[in-house]
Amino acid sequence: RKEVEQDPGPFNVPEGATVAFNCTYSNSASQSFFWYRQDCRKEPKLLMSVYSSGNEDGRFTAQLNRASQYISLLIRDSKLSDSATYLCVVNSGGYQKVTFGTGTKLQVIP
Amino acid sequence: DTEVTQTPKHLVMGMTNKKSLKCEQHMGHRAMYWYKQKAKKPPELMFVYSYEKLSINESVPSRFSPECPNSSLLNLHLHALQPEDSALYLCASSQGGQGNQPQHFGDGTRLSIL
Repeated sequence: RKEVEQDPGPFNVPEGATVAFNCTYSNSASQSFFWYRQDCRKEPKLLMSVYSSGNEDGRFTAQLNRASQYISLLIRDSKLSDSATYLCVVNSGGYQKVTFGTGTKLQVIP
Repeated sequence: DTEVTQTPKHLVMGMTNKKSLKCEQHMGHRAMYWYKQKAKKPPELMFVYSYEKLSINESVPSRFSPECPNSSLLNLHLHALQPEDSALYLCASSQGGQGNQPQHFGDGTRLSIL
């Protein structure tokens, strides 16, 4: 089983739709979780950190489910500019490296 | 606008050339990273510097040689690269070196080996 797994997609959704991605991780000792977005041929950009209590930033909501070892990202009212690859990043506590998921591609359609 | 600056943006070099990639951050971060990213793949960690000391080398071939002259600068020296080394090279930094702080990426150097 991969350390961090994501559905590669693509998720094709109409503008205004709500879409959710999950990311599962295998190491139960993992402590820090992040969502990044990456546009084609650009660098990954931090979207949000994921906190135990869940957190929201505008149209974006991140949740952590430790029992089932997954994190989720919910995007409401999708915009064309949300089209990108969403990378899940997990740190296994106390180490200096993080593990990237392979990314989920989102395409928002007019 | 990225707070991690990488130069050059693009680099084409022959297999016998020597070149260097540069990365700079002024956020006071104490950990800096080099990643390699191939098309449609996630970034792969190469090196981690924590407090200016090399703390992780992910078994990277010696034709890649990192250097951290000070807490704001990170270099990657390249020599005798192979065509399969063509990729996007990303530098990142984070506040601490424990991995529990988010990393901030530069916009990368796109490297092509002829």
